[in-house]
Amino acid sequence: GAGVSQSPRYKVAKRGQDVALRCDPISGHVSLFWYQQALGQGPEFLTYFQNEAQLDKSGLPSDRFFAERPEGSVSTLKIQRTQQEDSAVYLCASSLARVGWYGYTFGSGTRLTVV
Amino acid sequence: SQQGEEDPQALSIQEGENATMNCSYKTSINNLQWYRQNSGRGLVHLILIRSNEREKHSGRLRVTLDTSKKSSSLLITASRAADTASYFCATETSGSRLTFGEGTQLTVNP
Repeated sequence: GAGVSQSPRYKVAKRGQDVALRCDPISGHVSLFWYQQALGQGPEFLTYFQNEAQLDKSGLPSDRFFAERPEGSVSTLKIQRTQQEDSAVYLCASSLARVGWYGYTFGSGTRLTVV
Repeated sequence: SQQGEEDPQALSIQEGENATMNCSYKTSINNLQWYRQNSGRGLVHLILIRSNEREKHSGRLRVTLDTSKKSSSLLITASRAADTASYFCATETSGSRLTFGEGTQLTVNP
């Protein structure tokens, strides 16, 4: 597609529920990133894929967070046993190349609210 | 953790005026990027400046980079109401991840 697509756009989860957030990057983009953005803050890095390989997951806040990109295109961010502090906008971005000669194209994000 | 720090946190100007936002960072970088975010939306890439560049222009945007001071500035000339948004600087290091600042909220009054 023309841009990075994320679904769902909004998600309300009860505390303790598992959620799965989907990202469809731009076709052919090698790099894919997940970021977490709290209200009024800048995005915080979660994890990075180059094709299907997860090269950096150091930003994942706990072992309740898991991301995958099994075929090197679509990626899913899964959060198990959601907590209120997980409430945030989750942004996905993709880039044509690993090295940042290009900017990143971000999706519109998934706003997760844990109640 | 946030590497970049934007200054000011909020800026309110009249349409037609210029807007200048500053960004400071702490570690060596490969490049520095500026993004715009409208309320409730994703980030839009504006401009990328590499560590060996000092100035770059794109339309009404002018970005400078001073690696000795670890700082950058974004100038928006002849601002429009549609420029109202949050502006973030982001630095890219050898690990390829982007590290964002807290952002500057720009309001352009008609």
